[in-house]
Amino acid sequence: DAKTTQPNSMESNEEEPVHLPCNHSTISGTDYIHWYRQLPSQGPEYVIHGLTSNVNNRMASLAIAEDRKSSTLILHRATLRDAAVYYCILRDEWVKLVFGAGTILRVKS
Amino acid sequence: GAGVSQSPSNKVTEKGKDVELRCDPISGHTALYWYRQSLGQGLEFLIYFQGNSAPDKSGLPSDRFSAERTGGSVSTLTIQRTQQEDSAVYLCASSSTGTQALSYNSPLHFGNGTRLTVT
Repeated sequence: DAKTTQPNSMESNEEEPVHLPCNHSTISGTDYIHWYRQLPSQGPEYVIHGLTSNVNNRMASLAIAEDRKSSTLILHRATLRDAAVYYCILRDEWVKLVFGAGTILRVKS
Repeated sequence: GAGVSQSPSNKVTEKGKDVELRCDPISGHTALYWYRQSLGQGLEFLIYFQGNSAPDKSGLPSDRFSAERTGGSVSTLTIQRTQQEDSAVYLCASSSTGTQALSYNSPLHFGNGTRLTVT
């Protein structure tokens, strides 16, 4: 499985934007970039995914570098409820998701 | 609508006993996954079911672990002769995978897991 690299932790202030980076230098042409997050004591929750173009949904935006070797998950206005572990995952035709350690996001009020 | 439901939410068992963990996926979802998460660790893939195809059991850690999915819906994960290292949160997920070709585009919906403690 192609690997991703994320910072262990990040901190943000409430109501401010948060940019969560992910490096995936060995990404292949068929790999989709998926983001999930896991709130305390809950199962992971799908956030967003994309292939080449930037993507937006009600939860977040995904900015994908032109060479696809990195991507950034953008939370436009962090709230305390966004404090979670964020996982960046590459997925191709192999159906299972392989979760790494993720980034622990702390949000300060 | 109803999400993925897992039961029990917590299970404490003695070493050596067998346990069964249940997962009710979202109605109509053809793909079902089991993962486990040990304390402070990431998610570890266990097994995957897709429709009537043979399950992918490549993640099961030992032959004490087995899973079945009856009628393409409810799934049961069974752990025989439990050991203390089996203590973890067992997570089930389902997705509306229509075909293999689209599988990477279908998000997984997770339940909140069963916390298993082996004493």
